[in-house]
Amino acid sequence: GAGVSQSPRYKVAKRGQDVALRCDPISGHVSLFWYQQALGQGPEFLTYFQNEAQLDKSGLPSDRFFAERPEGSVSTLKIQRTQQEDSAVYLCASRQGLGELFFGEGSRLTVL
Amino acid sequence: DAKTTQPPSMDCAEGRAANLPCNHSTISGNEYVYWYRQIHSQGPQYIIHGLKNNETNEMASLIITEDRKSSTLILPHATLRDTAVYYCIVRGVIYNQGGKLIFGQGTELSVKP
Repeated sequence: GAGVSQSPRYKVAKRGQDVALRCDPISGHVSLFWYQQALGQGPEFLTYFQNEAQLDKSGLPSDRFFAERPEGSVSTLKIQRTQQEDSAVYLCASRQGLGELFFGEGSRLTVL
Repeated sequence: DAKTTQPPSMDCAEGRAANLPCNHSTISGNEYVYWYRQIHSQGPQYIIHGLKNNETNEMASLIITEDRKSSTLILPHATLRDTAVYYCIVRGVIYNQGGKLIFGQGTELSVKP
């Protein structure tokens, strides 16, 4: 597709459930980022991939958060045993070389 | 990366120029100033970036002071569609950790008819 695609757009989970959020970056983009955006706040960095290598995961808030990009294209962000504080919009972004970041529209997670 | 300071909100009349300020007094010589905006329920969108010189593109102009400690994003003829949160971000030329962007709180710009 022409842009970064994320799915699902909306996800409601019960506390304790596991969720998986998918990101399809722009074709050919080497770099992929995940951000978490709480209501009324700016996006916060979670993790970064260069191709299939996860080079920075310093922003992941706990070991319940796990991200992968096994073939260097599609990425999945997995959250285990979801908690209410995990409710947020999860944004994916990709970049070719050193150019600007292109963001998807995000996946809004609500944990009840 | 240097910290930036922006006013939390601003209003602008439709058709007038919107001037959004940003302070980055601790910016270092190899750091660029980037501007992104986020329209409600969408992901952030790149607007413009610059190092020293003023920059202009089809979306906006970026004015950076000579000492580089502050900058202004100018939307020359604001429309209702420009209502969004605008983020000023400083990022180094040498990409540490992939050149990740560190977002602050941004400025919520409301363009009014």
